[in-house]
Amino acid sequence: AQSVAQPEDQVNVAEGNPLTVKCTYSVSGNPYLFWYVQYPNRGLQFLLKYITGDNLVKGSYGFEAEFNKSQTSFHLKKPSALVSDSALYFCAVRDNSNDYKLSFGAGTTVTVRA
Amino acid sequence: DSGVTQTPKHLITATGQRVTLRCSPRSGDLSVYWYQQSLDQGLQFLIQYYNGEERAKGNILERFSAQQFPDLHSELNLSSLELGDSALYFCASNGSHYEQYFGPGTRLTVT
Repeated sequence: AQSVAQPEDQVNVAEGNPLTVKCTYSVSGNPYLFWYVQYPNRGLQFLLKYITGDNLVKGSYGFEAEFNKSQTSFHLKKPSALVSDSALYFCAVRDNSNDYKLSFGAGTTVTVRA
Repeated sequence: DSGVTQTPKHLITATGQRVTLRCSPRSGDLSVYWYQQSLDQGLQFLIQYYNGEERAKGNILERFSAQQFPDLHSELNLSSLELGDSALYFCASNGSHYEQYFGPGTRLTVT
């Protein structure tokens, strides 16, 4: 069974500083990996995905993620954080068997201070 | 806006009652997934339907059931509700793309 882990419950950064949210995964086979963001009282918004190809994938709102097969990681990054990036971030992995369900990490709360 | 709609937005009911949550997928998407988000369990996959047929089951209680109709909208039925069923319930859909698009959710409060 596939799973992801987000080792940090919270990440705090100052506006303008780089932001990194960590994710490691465990799958049998090729991983299909995703990042979602959830703002208060809102649904999950898709940020980016890694399916195949370049290890650095770019997504919405200036976010990017680096896939590292040897370290089984898929860390989310943003070079310069904004206060508006404060939200709950989820890493997810897709089951590539018949059902394609997503398994989510526990989430990381990002707080960007002005 | 993801294109996935869910109703109602909020639902408050008493223990032992039954409720129905409704979801309409993005236009053209055949798959619907239901997830539950709670403080203690996080985001958990419940069930998936594809073009009217059940495709996969996750951590769904026997008191819960779902179906997908010919127009592809889906309903999640929760019965004999308990306090612990209070949560956010999301549906998501996808088509030929890999990512799932989530609706705004239904917040269920059981009192």
